[in-house]
Amino acid sequence: SQQGEEDPQALSIQEGENATMNCSYKTSINNLQWYRQNSGRGLVHLILIRSNEREKHSGRLRVTLDTSKKSSSLLITASRAADTASYFCARISNFGNEKLTFGTGTRLTIIP
Amino acid sequence: DAGVTQSPTHLIKTRGQQVTLRCSPKSGHDTVSWYQQALGQGPQFIFQYYEEEERQRGNFPDRFSGHQFPNYSSELNVNALLLGDSALYLCASSLAGRVGEQFFGPGTRLTVL
Repeated sequence: SQQGEEDPQALSIQEGENATMNCSYKTSINNLQWYRQNSGRGLVHLILIRSNEREKHSGRLRVTLDTSKKSSSLLITASRAADTASYFCARISNFGNEKLTFGTGTRLTIIP
Repeated sequence: DAGVTQSPTHLIKTRGQQVTLRCSPKSGHDTVSWYQQALGQGPQFIFQYYEEEERQRGNFPDRFSGHQFPNYSSELNVNALLLGDSALYLCASSLAGRVGEQFFGPGTRLTVL
């Protein structure tokens, strides 16, 4: 069963706008990661944020983590058509346990 | 530097048959994890192999088994296929002891008829 939930399940925005996706989880984490998946193929790692970090940036991506609320958000700024994909958050619970537990994903569509 | 590779890309089987999927990890990686992704869902962890042994297992029946070879490549075997086994099977590689990102292959799309 999925241990995390992304919100919203689907999001459509105009090219150039910002997209925000949220992820909630239930148990404590070692780190949380965001992945992108195009057309049901392999997952591409976007960014990793550790439990002692609150915010992280990578290019047009900004991830925040609130461990007290057990939630994370992914912000994509100045969206492009190529950002159309499904986005998943995945968490690792315990150090040495490298099993990724994925959420249900957000389907992002960028309208040109 | 080759990334994670998987074969075959697509596979069609009938109920009751057996299937073997293959994965070669990214160069330098020693740990392989397998995930099942049903249509419209997030990937679910099947099991993980390190040093040729199953190190962790998710909530999957014994019909799902695996193997890791000395060169770190891995196989996923599924026996007595059910219609519900139709999914994208993803392999991910990583380096043991480093709790970080995992590198995913393109996946094998399995269809059970």
